[in-house]
Amino acid sequence: QVQLQESGPGLVKPSETLSLTCTVSGGSITSYYWSWIRQPPGKGLEWIGYIDYNGATSYNPSLKSRVTISVDTSKNEFSLKLTSVTAADTAVFYCARRSPMGQNFDYWGQGTLVTVSS
Amino acid sequence: EIVLTQSPGTLSLSPGERATLSCRASQSVTSSYLGWYQQKPGQAPRLLIYGSSSRATGVPDRFSGSGSGTDFTLTISRLEPEDFAVYYCQQYAGSPPMYTFGQGTKLEIK
Repeated sequence: QVQLQESGPGLVKPSETLSLTCTVSGGSITSYYWSWIRQPPGKGLEWIGYIDYNGATSYNPSLKSRVTISVDTSKNEFSLKLTSVTAADTAVFYCARRSPMGQNFDYWGQGTLVTVSS
Repeated sequence: EIVLTQSPGTLSLSPGERATLSCRASQSVTSSYLGWYQQKPGQAPRLLIYGSSSRATGVPDRFSGSGSGTDFTLTISRLEPEDFAVYYCQQYAGSPPMYTFGQGTKLEIK
């Protein structure tokens, strides 16, 4: 059973960089696409971007200038960096796997709340 | 960017009733790229339906998806107490790759 676990600071100061890591267990990170998705408190879901096992990335145009997603296949993990954060970036951040059956997300991490505040 | 609009915003029903949730796209969506998720408080979303009509592993057969083009529907044939949650539709469009979600429908106990 594939499991995903997000980790990283729960509090980030405005203008600083948010950094999160997703560790994948129960399966290899290779041969799949891996995404970051966020959800502001009480609001809906927003796709941030994905990375594939070869390191190819695609980002939401609304965040593209501030986002970097990277992968470390030796550690079976992938990471998110979001620069110049503001209070509007406060959200629960999820990592998720794109299903091999199509363009939907079949495995999700439990999510981690990141608050942007001084 | 394709915008997904879900209706109603909130649906109040009783256990045993049938629920019909709508997801309308601002332009035509590839059916094989349309999915539905269930989210309960404090939990990650759970994939219910992929490819607009295929149930994900372990999803009860009271959940069904249908639709094409710009109009998609999630139907729960007979509501169980554990079905009361928020439901999201999601689609993918390429060139450039982009995933979008609807704003959600809250299914609450009447």
